[in-house]
Amino acid sequence: EAEVAQSPRYKITEKSQAVAFWCDPISGHATLYWYRQILGQGPELLVQFQDESVVDDSQLPKDRFSAERLKGVDSTLKIQPAELGDSAMYLCASSSFPWGTGELFFGEGSRLTVL
Amino acid sequence: AQTVTQSQPEMSVQEAETVTLSCTYDTSESNYYLFWYKQPPSRQMILVIRQEAYKQQNATENRFSVNFQKAAKSFSLKISDSQLGDTAMYFCAFMKPGVQGAQKLVFGQGTRLTINP
Repeated sequence: EAEVAQSPRYKITEKSQAVAFWCDPISGHATLYWYRQILGQGPELLVQFQDESVVDDSQLPKDRFSAERLKGVDSTLKIQPAELGDSAMYLCASSSFPWGTGELFFGEGSRLTVL
Repeated sequence: AQTVTQSQPEMSVQEAETVTLSCTYDTSESNYYLFWYKQPPSRQMILVIRQEAYKQQNATENRFSVNFQKAAKSFSLKISDSQLGDTAMYFCAFMKPGVQGAQKLVFGQGTRLTINP
């Protein structure tokens, strides 16, 4: 069964360091999302790609966060410099939009701890 | 902007019981999708059930069913014959379909459901 792959699963870093997360969506899914989930809360959208284009990054803290999906397949989310408040789970999801039922398929997430 | 509210942070029931999780949402749209997603401990989020707003009939998936009240903007999830594997965080989510850039999920805060043996 096709799955969304994410790495690393866990990352511990010190404040002010750079960190990067990688996501490989389900093959053929044109839409890719990065969500941030603080412990005990619901996920919040950081950035949404349609193929290689950003269609929504209104909630992405652009002074320290960047995201790219250069060839419209896999994607990287970077944080530089990391701050204590960035500790969270970073979820990647993909969907077959504009086709399909609107279902998002999620990866297992990358848990970030900033010390 | 759309908002989704789940008023029950935690719930706990005995195995085989029926449990209902509440969700309300706020939108001015007439056509949209509503979802319940399940996030088991240390595992990825998966879709439980989906409802299209233009459909009056409530969606069902085996032991899972919804009570969709469009006028009241309410979307509750009922789990019948609950099982230990139902233990998870449950998120209610809203999606406005169609327009590029608008097809994103807006999540509620979640309800932590524990099924006790």
